[in-house]
Amino acid sequence: DAGVIQSPRHEVTEMGQEVTLRCKPISGHNSLFWYRQTMMRGLELLIYFNNNVPIDDSGMPEDRFSAKMPNASFSTLKIQPSEPRDSAVYFCASREGAPGELFFGEGSRLTVL
Amino acid sequence: GEDVEQSLFLSVREGDSSVINCTYTDSSSTYLYWYKQEPGAGLQLLTYIFSNMDMKQDQRLTVLLNKKDKHLSLRIADTQTGDSAIYFCAESSRYGGATNKLIFGTGTLLAVQP
Repeated sequence: DAGVIQSPRHEVTEMGQEVTLRCKPISGHNSLFWYRQTMMRGLELLIYFNNNVPIDDSGMPEDRFSAKMPNASFSTLKIQPSEPRDSAVYFCASREGAPGELFFGEGSRLTVL
Repeated sequence: GEDVEQSLFLSVREGDSSVINCTYTDSSSTYLYWYKQEPGAGLQLLTYIFSNMDMKQDQRLTVLLNKKDKHLSLRIADTQTGDSAIYFCAESSRYGGATNKLIFGTGTLLAVQP
């Protein structure tokens, strides 16, 4: 298996633009997580899905952030409008079932100017 | 809410033992994990321990759990330069009846000096 695949790996955008990050979990995994990593706050859980259903989105910073999982093999995290403070590395992770190993993608590094 | 805390930095000499510490607040934690992140990469699972255990050994790695104090540690014996990375402690807490949510600590940067 190719592992968790994220795109884009790097994105540089200007403040106010819409950003869409994509994730393809490992086939057969039924839980998907979105994390954000910054120097100041470490690794923060933004939202997670179980069987394509959002279970906990309490970590989503504000209404500018939204996440969807239309099917078992695809998820998006959207920021609209983006702000400089959204600059971070965004990780997607998936697992087959609790409490199984969480497999991480390589991350999407977002820079908002 | 759940909180997981770690010291930010540890420096050791090659060949010495490293001990990375972690404290957590959720008494209902069922599994506790150690993940490793190398530069420019995602996190990878190193080892985990079930909350009814107090020790687990896996080659050079020893995990100690003090459930009463909610303290977890990772000991790396004979630390090598290749062990230089960020180490994350994580706990799995119950939510909606399922053990599903994984909360990570801030990460400890381990620097191994040759």
